[in-house]
Amino acid sequence: GESVGLHLPTLSVQEGDNSIINCAYSNSASDYFIWYKQESGKGPQFIIDIRSNMDKRQGQRVTVLLNKTVKHLSLQIAATQPGDSAVYFCAEISSGSARQLTFGSGTQLTVLP
Amino acid sequence: NAGVTQTPKFRILKIGQSMTLQCTQDMNHNYMYWYRQDPGMGLKLIYYSVGAGITDKGEVPNGYNVSRSTTEDFPLRLELAAPSQTSVYFCASSYGLGQGSGYTFGSGTRLTVV
Repeated sequence: GESVGLHLPTLSVQEGDNSIINCAYSNSASDYFIWYKQESGKGPQFIIDIRSNMDKRQGQRVTVLLNKTVKHLSLQIAATQPGDSAVYFCAEISSGSARQLTFGSGTQLTVLP
Repeated sequence: NAGVTQTPKFRILKIGQSMTLQCTQDMNHNYMYWYRQDPGMGLKLIYYSVGAGITDKGEVPNGYNVSRSTTEDFPLRLELAAPSQTSVYFCASSYGLGQGSGYTFGSGTRLTVV
């Protein structure tokens, strides 16, 4: 069935380095993608989103890239900080009336001192 | 503003018991959702509501019931708890469908069924 999945379950980076978290999706009808950050014991927190008519979108220290040809999404975090340690989820919303969020399985990012 | 408030934060149930997970939002959002999150997994939609008096099934509704008598409250009911319902439950609300930035999540209820 349609799904949103992640390439790697865990990622460790040195403080100050850049982080790249990847996500693959299979639903061709997806037209809106979101990255969420979830810290331990908390609900997901919105980071950045991108619509399917865009290839790239930048926020503060974060960039999302969308490659519709290979159905791939990535989140880049610049100058990773200890506070960035969390689980990161990609999620998608497909076109149509339901327009519900479908989440991927998450990547645990650990920032090393 | 409190945002989305869930109670209780933790609960242990015995098989066959019932309980209600409470969810309240003070943002006047029309849309509310219940998700469950199993260990290491993303959130799966159980039920959602587009307004008071209107509810609909999500991806994994079996074993659950919901009601939406007011805009603010969206309780989730487990009638006959089963071990498969051990999970973390998140309530969320949004001002519209299809706006990922507009979702506000509660802090979750960790439920264990033994």
